[in-house]
Amino acid sequence: KQEVTQIPAALSVPEGENLVLNCSFTDSAIYNLQWFRQDPGKGLTSLLLIQSSQREQTSGRLNASLDKSSGRSTLYIAASQPGDSATYLCAVNLRQGGSEKLVFGKGTKLTVNP
Amino acid sequence: KAGVTQTPRYLIKTRGQQVTLSCSPISGHRSVSWYQQTPGQGLQFLFEYFSETQRNKGNFPGRFSGRQFSNSRSEMNVSTLELGDSALYLCASSLEGGGRLKTQYFGPGTRLLVL
Repeated sequence: KQEVTQIPAALSVPEGENLVLNCSFTDSAIYNLQWFRQDPGKGLTSLLLIQSSQREQTSGRLNASLDKSSGRSTLYIAASQPGDSATYLCAVNLRQGGSEKLVFGKGTKLTVNP
Repeated sequence: KAGVTQTPRYLIKTRGQQVTLSCSPISGHRSVSWYQQTPGQGLQFLFEYFSETQRNKGNFPGRFSGRQFSNSRSEMNVSTLELGDSALYLCASSLEGGGRLKTQYFGPGTRLLVL
């Protein structure tokens, strides 16, 4: 059964710092991996999607990498801002039990202090 | 283009009752997925509908059911509510018509409290 783990569970950094969020998964047979952002009490916003054949994706100050063979992904945030404060979730898309589904990690709660 | 909308946003029910939640996907999206989010279990996949058919299913009891209408709007029903059903229920839509879930766009969720 696929398990997705995100470390650390919480992270607090000063504004302007570059940071890395980690995501690991146990089964490498995935279709793709997505990083989401969730603000308190709100839904999820998709940040980046990396297909299983890709190594990385970039959007603005965000860069996500994928190493399928080792079951790892990282989300790099450059020059962090207070507005980046949110919970970041990674999810792998795979077929499990006959159904295609997204399996989520429990997230990293990021606080960027001004 | 309007985003994914969910109604109601908040709901309070008592044990044993049933509840129906509604989701309107982004215009043109044919796939709608439902998720349950709790502090203990995190986000868990409930089911996915595509062209009015349940295409994928998570590991939830039969009390959780759903349907999709011809305009792609979807409803989720939970019967015989239990305290543990208290959660944020999220709906997501995507364009996908082929089997591989592409980027999903999430609604704001319905927060259900069961007393």
